Amino acid sequence: EPEVTQTPSHQVTQMGQEVILRCVPISNHLYFYWYRQILGQKVEFLVSFYNNEISEKSEIFDDQFSVERPDGSNFTLKIRSTKLEDSAMYFCASRTRGGTEKLFFGSGTQLSVL
Amino acid sequence: DAKTTQPTSMDCAEGRAANLPCNHSTISGNEYVYWYRQIHSQGPQYIIHGLKNNETNEMASLIITEDRKSSTLILPHATLRDTAVYYCIARRNTGTASKLTFGTGTRLQVTL
Repeated sequence: EPEVTQTPSHQVTQMGQEVILRCVPISNHLYFYWYRQILGQKVEFLVSFYNNEISEKSEIFDDQFSVERPDGSNFTLKIRSTKLEDSAMYFCASRTRGGTEKLFFGSGTQLSVL
Repeated sequence: DAKTTQPTSMDCAEGRAANLPCNHSTISGNEYVYWYRQIHSQGPQYIIHGLKNNETNEMASLIITEDRKSSTLILPHATLRDTAVYYCIARRNTGTASKLTFGTGTRLQVTL
């Protein structure tokens, strides 16, 4: 079965540094998502993306966050100036246009901000 | 999305059927019942969804009551690898990139 691929699997950074988390969604999918999960907490929606623009974003997704689809295959999440509280597992997801709400998730990037 | 209520945790012996309940008493007519699961720290995984009729696939069966106010996800022969958090979500098919919201789910522990 096709997979959503995320890199790196682990990222350690210093507070205040910029990080870019990368995702390769499934090739014929058109809707893209980022979620995060702080250890021991719920999976939280961050942002969704379609047709090269943000469709919906949560309160968490403030000016420090941005998303981009720089080419036909990658989907990235950038955090400009990381904070300690950004430490979490970040999941990318994608799905086909229309039809069901069947999201395919990647295996995640564990971000640790020191 | 309609609110769903699930037990916090459940246990199941390996090889037995795991029956995970979900209440969604305020579900509207066009909202589907979706089930996902999250195996320890991995990304959530879609399992199954249904509207009115019972559904079965290679992973599980979904039984929805006639009044649609509750449903049960059945894993017919649970294995240790089915230990996970299971999420029940009531959701209409939006045809857009709107968010899918995960609650706290049911933590299923499959034991020997």
